[in-house]
Amino acid sequence: GENVEQHPSTLSVQEGDSAVIKCTYSDSASNYFPWYKQELGKRPQLIIDIRSNVGEKKDQRIAVTLNKTAKHFSLHITETQPEDSAVYFCAASPNRDDKIIFGKGTRLHILP
Amino acid sequence: DGGITQSPKYLFRKEGQNVTLSCEQNLNHDAMYWYRQDPGQGLRLIYYSQIVNDFQKGDIAEGYSVSREKKESFPLTVTSAQKNPTAFYLCASSILYFDGYTFGSGTRLTVV
Repeated sequence: GENVEQHPSTLSVQEGDSAVIKCTYSDSASNYFPWYKQELGKRPQLIIDIRSNVGEKKDQRIAVTLNKTAKHFSLHITETQPEDSAVYFCAASPNRDDKIIFGKGTRLHILP
Repeated sequence: DGGITQSPKYLFRKEGQNVTLSCEQNLNHDAMYWYRQDPGQGLRLIYYSQIVNDFQKGDIAEGYSVSREKKESFPLTVTSAQKNPTAFYLCASSILYFDGYTFGSGTRLTVV
């Protein structure tokens, strides 16, 4: 089955700098890659997703890139702000049965 | 107001007792999922269901049971066979061939 590895587990960046979180997946059939943000004590919320027919997708300060050959995908947050502090989860789904397999999460701290 | 509701928010159970966590959605989503969240472990899939009266085991189904008698409801029972049940449990739903999950706000279960 699918296995998703996520790095780093913790990331601290200065406010205004960029943050990058990287994930790898194992199942070459995976074709849907969502990213979720979970603020302390709250439910995970979908922030951006990408399908395998696209190499990059951007939404304001957030972008996701996908390299299908290498089975890598990454989340890029530019001009970080205090409200970006949260745990971020990457995930992959082969869409055969719609279940999503999550990475272990990255705790992002934005330093003032 | 459409959404997915989990109850209760906090639940305490004595060892050896079964307990049922509620998950209800009014989004008309076909698929529903149960995840368990432990610190540093990410989100691990317990059970999922794509259609009424049908469900499949996830990666950590042992000690858990579910039912899907109605499209809107997907209760999870944590049985006494689950060796380490203290965790945060998240329910989610999605449209099949989907745009990502919508998560409930979670139930924190503590065994005392």
